[in-house]
Amino acid sequence: DQQVKQNSPSLSVQEGRISILNCDYTNSMFDYFLWYKKYPAEGPTFLISISSIKDKNEDGRFTVFLNKSAKHLSLHIVPSQPGDSAVYFCAATLANYGGSQGNLIFGKGTKLSVKP
Amino acid sequence: KAGVTQTPRYLIKTRGQQVTLSCSPISGHRSVSWYQQTPGQGLQFLFEYFSETQRNKGNFPGRFSGRQFSNSRSEMNVSTLELGDSALYLCASRSSGQPLVLGEQYFGPGTRLTVT
Repeated sequence: DQQVKQNSPSLSVQEGRISILNCDYTNSMFDYFLWYKKYPAEGPTFLISISSIKDKNEDGRFTVFLNKSAKHLSLHIVPSQPGDSAVYFCAATLANYGGSQGNLIFGKGTKLSVKP
Repeated sequence: KAGVTQTPRYLIKTRGQQVTLSCSPISGHRSVSWYQQTPGQGLQFLFEYFSETQRNKGNFPGRFSGRQFSNSRSEMNVSTLELGDSALYLCASRSSGQPLVLGEQYFGPGTRLTVT
């Protein structure tokens, strides 16, 4: 059973508008969440993260919102640019997992297309 | 600083064969994790090595194995290849044994394995 879900496989947005990418998780013990961006033929690149003790983290055009009660997080990109077109992965981890180091549990990704 | 490198970038193998993939982490990084990316399952954690020891393992069969050398370079091996093993295999490195926070994990471009 998938612990991290990105229910929209694709999203198309006009340049300059807001892009909202959503992610749901099932494991209430997850305490750290990350977003990665992936271009074709490249590995994922870290974008932004949020700890479970916060409900919002902002970095330039990117903001991540966390709603722990709903087990939901979202990534907002404002304004969207054509260069933002990529696959976005949501990931969760147990930052202090069992004495060992937590691995990342990824969603299946959402392909964002920003049209000029 | 050079990034994470993976060799080979592309590989075609026949069912039943075995394959070895290589990952060279960023200089100074001691942790290497491996992930499998498929269209159906997304990105899934295989295992993590730190200072030549496997300290975390995902839910994959024993046909998938790995090791890490004293220079932190890592290899993963898949024996008795199946068609379903066709995937992009990504490795990621990070500098320390600290909990996985702040997106400090850096991914390589991956090895595209095709099993025929």
